[in-house]
Amino acid sequence: QSVLTQPPSVSAAPGQKVTISCSGSSSNIGNNYVSWYQQLPGTAPKLLIYENNKRPSGIPDRFYGSKSGTSAILGITGVQTGDEADYYCGTWESSLSGWAFGGGTKLTVL
Amino acid sequence: QVQLQESGPHLVKPSETLSLTCTVSGGSISSYYWNWIRQSPGKRLEWIGYIYYTGDTNYNPSLKSRVTISVDTSKNQFSLRLTSATAADTAVYYCARDPNFDYFDSWGQGTLVTVSS
Repeated sequence: QSVLTQPPSVSAAPGQKVTISCSGSSSNIGNNYVSWYQQLPGTAPKLLIYENNKRPSGIPDRFYGSKSGTSAILGITGVQTGDEADYYCGTWESSLSGWAFGGGTKLTVL
Repeated sequence: QVQLQESGPHLVKPSETLSLTCTVSGGSISSYYWNWIRQSPGKRLEWIGYIYYTGDTNYNPSLKSRVTISVDTSKNQFSLRLTSATAADTAVYYCARDPNFDYFDSWGQGTLVTVSS
């Protein structure tokens, strides 16, 4: 069981907006930065969002992140077929003194 | 741009030691936090541990008794040893860089390690 809870799957039609939630507690999301990773089929995870809402160079502004209390959200606007992937949230878990990840959310573009 | 590449045996027998090396190119290992992360066949990501270039380490409590991560700055490499391997250790193993102690900005391509007789 992951300490961070994500929905197993979400779906959206091309061009629509979709959000993926990541729920935690005060020992993880509540007091630490959240990052998000995109894993395309057969590839390694790739950093999408760091420090809750910052995008690395090269990540389009269609991807955004936010955090409130003990939950975080990854949003994707103007969804494209190439966005079909698994998405993971991650953060520091203070009670374990280690990193924790969500179980992952599979995005299907209809 | 920094690149990471995992290497090591793809098949390990039960009870033996799983050993992997991550070679860092395009940048120096003498900074940042260097991590091992694995992904089970069910796709769950599990952080194994990190090493700072100074040699300071931190391990996942659930694996701590079996894990050792070391660094060789002269070769720009860091390594993972996981003893007493079982089938539950079968996974894709990734090495990853954490530049600021709060996210992983570079990942290796991953290597599948199967624990089986």
